[in-house]
Amino acid sequence: GAVVSQHPSWVICKSGTSVKIECRSLDFQATTMFWYRQFPKQSLMLMATSNEGSKATYEQGVEKDKFLINHASLTLSTLTVTSAHPEDSSFYICSATPDWVLAGRSSYNEQFFGPGTRLTVL
Amino acid sequence: KQEVTQIPAALSVPEGENLVLNCSFTDSAIYNLQWFRQDPGKGLTSLLLIQSSQREQTSGRLNASLDKSSGRSTLYIAASQPGDSATYLCAVSTGFQKLVFGTGTRLLVSP
Repeated sequence: GAVVSQHPSWVICKSGTSVKIECRSLDFQATTMFWYRQFPKQSLMLMATSNEGSKATYEQGVEKDKFLINHASLTLSTLTVTSAHPEDSSFYICSATPDWVLAGRSSYNEQFFGPGTRLTVL
Repeated sequence: KQEVTQIPAALSVPEGENLVLNCSFTDSAIYNLQWFRQDPGKGLTSLLLIQSSQREQTSGRLNASLDKSSGRSTLYIAASQPGDSATYLCAVSTGFQKLVFGTGTRLLVSP
C-alpha cells in the first residue's frame, strides 16, 4: 500500500509552452501533498505544499504564477509549469501524506514519494 | 535556516565492506530524521525514520543513529553489496511533514 504515482515520467517540451505534471495517491487519501525539484547532482528542494481545496503554500523564492498547483481531489495534485524555459529543466518529485497520518493515527510522520518526472525544456 | 550536509559526497567500496555515511544538520529542533535511497532517475525509497526521541533504528543490514544535540546522524551499511549502489539522502523534518534534504552521498559498490 501507500503508492504514489506521477505522470508523465518524462516530458520534453519547447520553450514557452506549459507542461502539466500529475501526482496521484493510488491507495490512500492525501489532503496534503508536496512538490520538490531536483537539479542534476543536487538535493531535493521543497517548492510548495499542496492542500486539497485550498491554495498552495509556496516556499520562498518559488514563483507561484510560474508553478501553478491545483489539488482538486483527495488523490490528485497537479503542477503546471507555465511558459517553460530551459532553466526549468529539472526532475520534479511529489510526495503525499496519508490522511491517517494527519489524523494522528500513526506515530510516524510518513510521507510517500512518487517516482518523479523528468522535464526537459528545449 | 536549517541546513543539512552529507559527507562524503561520493564513496566507492568493494563488495563486502562495512561503511558509514554521515549527515549533519545545523538546527537540532527537528521532529525526525529519515534516510532515503534514490536510484538514478528514480524517486525516493524510505529506508529508516528516526523520531527525535529515538537514538537509532535498524532494518536488516542498515542501522541509523541520531544524536540530536550534536546535529548528527550516521547510516551504517553492513556487508555492502553491488545492489546497494545508489544515492543516499538524509532529510530532517523541521515542521509537520516539511523535509529539508541533505546533499546526498553517491555510493558505488563494486563486485
